[in-house]
Amino acid sequence: DAKTTQPPSMDCAEGRAANLPCNHSTISGNEYVYWYRQIHSQGPQYIIHGLKNNETNEMASLIITEDRKSSTLILPHATLRDTAVYYCIVRTGGGADGLTFGKGTHLIIQP
Amino acid sequence: EAGVAQSPRYKIIEKRQSVAFWCNPISGHATLYWYQQILGQGPKLLIQFQNNGVVDDSQLPKDRFSAERLKGVDSTLKIQPAKLEDSAVYLCASTKDRLANYGYTFGSGTRLTVV
Repeated sequence: DAKTTQPPSMDCAEGRAANLPCNHSTISGNEYVYWYRQIHSQGPQYIIHGLKNNETNEMASLIITEDRKSSTLILPHATLRDTAVYYCIVRTGGGADGLTFGKGTHLIIQP
Repeated sequence: EAGVAQSPRYKIIEKRQSVAFWCNPISGHATLYWYQQILGQGPKLLIQFQNNGVVDDSQLPKDRFSAERLKGVDSTLKIQPAKLEDSAVYLCASTKDRLANYGYTFGSGTRLTVV
């Protein structure tokens, strides 16, 4: 699976949109982009995933660039409960491998 | 639906002792994973089960770690004997079909401290 690069930490004001970038310049055509987050003392939580089209669900939006070399996770109205480590992972679609986590981005929502 | 259940929540043991962790995945989820998360790092996959069979245990330290998933439902992960470097959170996750693009559901983990 391709490697991802994320900033180690980011701050965002409560109520504003949090935009978390991820670089995956070596992504292959059949690899999906997944986002998970891990709130302190909890297990990771699935947020969203996509292949090439932008995706939106009740938690977040995922914007994937046309060349698929980077993506952005958007939390539209961040709250204090969104403070967590966010992991961007690429994984082969229909692949049998488990998820490979990096160190992620520690997002801190400021009141 | 009920989430992935793990127990115990915390465990403290001395080095060279043995320890076991239990996981009950979401009903109907065929694939079960055990991850190890050392402080400050992302989770690392240890073993993957499909029903009651092992499909990937390449990162499991087999000299001291073992896991089983009898009847394709609950699973246990055992460490014997434990070392100081085994101090970590052990996470269990499940998914409906490992070959599809579903998200995984993780449990809250068991925090192991080896002293």
